[in-house]
Amino acid sequence: DADVTQTPRNRITKTGKRIMLECSQTKGHDRMYWYRQDPGLGLRLIYYSFDVKDINKGEISDGYSVSRQAQAKFSLSLESAIPNQTALYFCATSDTSAGNTEAFFGQGTRLTVV
Amino acid sequence: GENVEQHPSTLSVQEGDSAVIKCTYSDSASNYFPWYKQELGKRPQLIIDIRSNVGEKKDQRIAVTLNKTAKHFSLHITETQPEDSAVYFCAASTMDSNYQLIWGAGTKLIIKP
Repeated sequence: DADVTQTPRNRITKTGKRIMLECSQTKGHDRMYWYRQDPGLGLRLIYYSFDVKDINKGEISDGYSVSRQAQAKFSLSLESAIPNQTALYFCATSDTSAGNTEAFFGQGTRLTVV
Repeated sequence: GENVEQHPSTLSVQEGDSAVIKCTYSDSASNYFPWYKQELGKRPQLIIDIRSNVGEKKDQRIAVTLNKTAKHFSLHITETQPEDSAVYFCAASTMDSNYQLIWGAGTKLIIKP
């Protein structure tokens, strides 16, 4: 299922480096999300966007920034990576034009900060 | 705002037995309740969902029940199989929250052979 595509799939970076994770979708959905998942833990929302001109903070936005370059693209940046940002990152999309609907996830990006 | 609690955090059942995972929510306006399955190393994927105008929904070995009065919903898996081993997440959302999904913490289901 390549409808929601994340790049890169795996990344190792050094402390202090800037890194960008990218997400693109072909589903035509209005909403896009970035989640973080730590081992053995659930999904925590970092940022979400309702459309190109709308960006909202989630529960753990500190240390992260996002850009919604187009309806189909939503990127997540770590301005200065730190080791406790090592995690699995998921992008997701949903179509709320008809109300509540499911979220579709990308394959995930495994980020390691050393 | 909405809060979703999920129990248990880990569930171990014998192959062939049934498994039940429960979630409670706080916002009585919530009206959409999906369940996601995340296999090891994979992305979460929707397995079943229910809306507030329905009390129960079934799909083969999987069912979800909703009790709006008590504000809880449950995932039932019957005749469990090894491929059911995964982490399961519940979520809830409401139009009032702009359909934002609020997630439970997840349940790791282990199927013992």
